[in-house]
Amino acid sequence: DAGVIQSPRHEVTEMGQEVTLRCKPISGHDYLFWYRQTMMRGLELLIYFNNNVPIDDSGMPEDRFSAKMPNASFSTLKIQPSEPRDSAVYFCASSTRYEQFFGPGTRLTVL
Amino acid sequence: GNSVTQMEGPVTLSEEAFLTINCTYTATGYPSLFWYVQYPGEGLQLLLKATKADDKGSNKGFEATYRKETTSFHLEKGSVQVSDSAVYFCALSDNAGNNRKLIWGLGTSLAVNP
Repeated sequence: DAGVIQSPRHEVTEMGQEVTLRCKPISGHDYLFWYRQTMMRGLELLIYFNNNVPIDDSGMPEDRFSAKMPNASFSTLKIQPSEPRDSAVYFCASSTRYEQFFGPGTRLTVL
Repeated sequence: GNSVTQMEGPVTLSEEAFLTINCTYTATGYPSLFWYVQYPGEGLQLLLKATKADDKGSNKGFEATYRKETTSFHLEKGSVQVSDSAVYFCALSDNAGNNRKLIWGLGTSLAVNP
């Protein structure tokens, strides 16, 4: 299996632009998680899905952030409009039980 | 609520030194406990786990024992290598229903010098 796939690996954008991060979970996994990692705040859970349905989005920082999972093999995290404080590494992870498998992350820089 | 507390880093050791990274937790019920490792520029990956009291998880020379009486899950390795330089995260699950969230510690950075 290829593992969790994220794209792009790096994204540089300007303040105010829309950013879309993509994730393909491991086939057969029914849970998908989006995390954000920064030096200041560490690893934060933003939202997670079970069978494509959002279960807990309490970590989504504000309305500028949205996440979708239209099918079992694809999820997006969108930031609109982006701000410099959104600069971070965003991870996607998938699981069937408690062991979560992480993707390589997307490093987002908002100028 | 459930929480995980890890010792603060960075931890700097010489090669072949003994490593301990402390992790304590607060939880209701019977959580499973995990150690994840993050190498530079990569995502987190599971290092070891324990699902019940007195279980010992082990992998790549690392060990951790689930101690319910002290609510601890300390990570140890007898002889570290330069390649062990990474950030280590302790985490717990609450094993309740369909909740699959993990509660994470803040991570402990380890640097091993040759």
